[in-house]
Amino acid sequence: AQTVTQSQPEMSVQEAETVTLSCTYDTSESDYYLFWYKQPPSRQMILVIRQEAYKQQNATENRFSVNFQKAAKSFSLKISDSQLGDAAMYFCAYRSKDDKIIFGKGTRLHILP
Amino acid sequence: DSGVTQTPKHLITATGQRVTLRCSPRSGDLSVYWYQQSLDQGLQFLIQYYNGEERAKGNILERFSAQQFPDLHSELNLSSLELGDSALYFCASSEHHNYGYTFGSGTRLTVV
Repeated sequence: AQTVTQSQPEMSVQEAETVTLSCTYDTSESDYYLFWYKQPPSRQMILVIRQEAYKQQNATENRFSVNFQKAAKSFSLKISDSQLGDAAMYFCAYRSKDDKIIFGKGTRLHILP
Repeated sequence: DSGVTQTPKHLITATGQRVTLRCSPRSGDLSVYWYQQSLDQGLQFLIQYYNGEERAKGNILERFSAQQFPDLHSELNLSSLELGDSALYFCASSEHHNYGYTFGSGTRLTVV
């Protein structure tokens, strides 16, 4: 069975600085999708970025980018120029071919003004 | 507004009772997923429906059941409620396999 591990329960970063959130996963599949979701205090789940496993190029969405290392089964999220509105719980997620998404336990990100 | 509508937003009920949570997926999405998020926990997959049929089941208790109707809305029924069932219940829908889910705003269930 696939698993998703986020080893950092909490992190803090100074406003305007860069922070990287870690995620590793375990799978025997070769074709899958990876996501980062953000859950702010409102509890809404917001898709931040997605990565197709067959693409070697790392996905980028404005200040958010990923470092996808398929062989190492690693999928980290980098947030550049951190803003107060980035404070949230961040979940790494894996979507398998059987269409189920498995979430990590999350990393709570604090932004220090 | 994500396009996925969940009602009610909040629900307070007593132990032993039964409740129904409702979800309307985003227009055009055939798949509906239900997740449970307990306090400060990650999301636990409960069940998935695709175009009216159950497609996958996760850690869903026997006291819980769900269905998806011909108009594609879905209902999650929770019965014989226990204090531990208090959680945020999310519904999500998806257009295609290679996209992420679009989540509703969740139903906060409190069992007292």
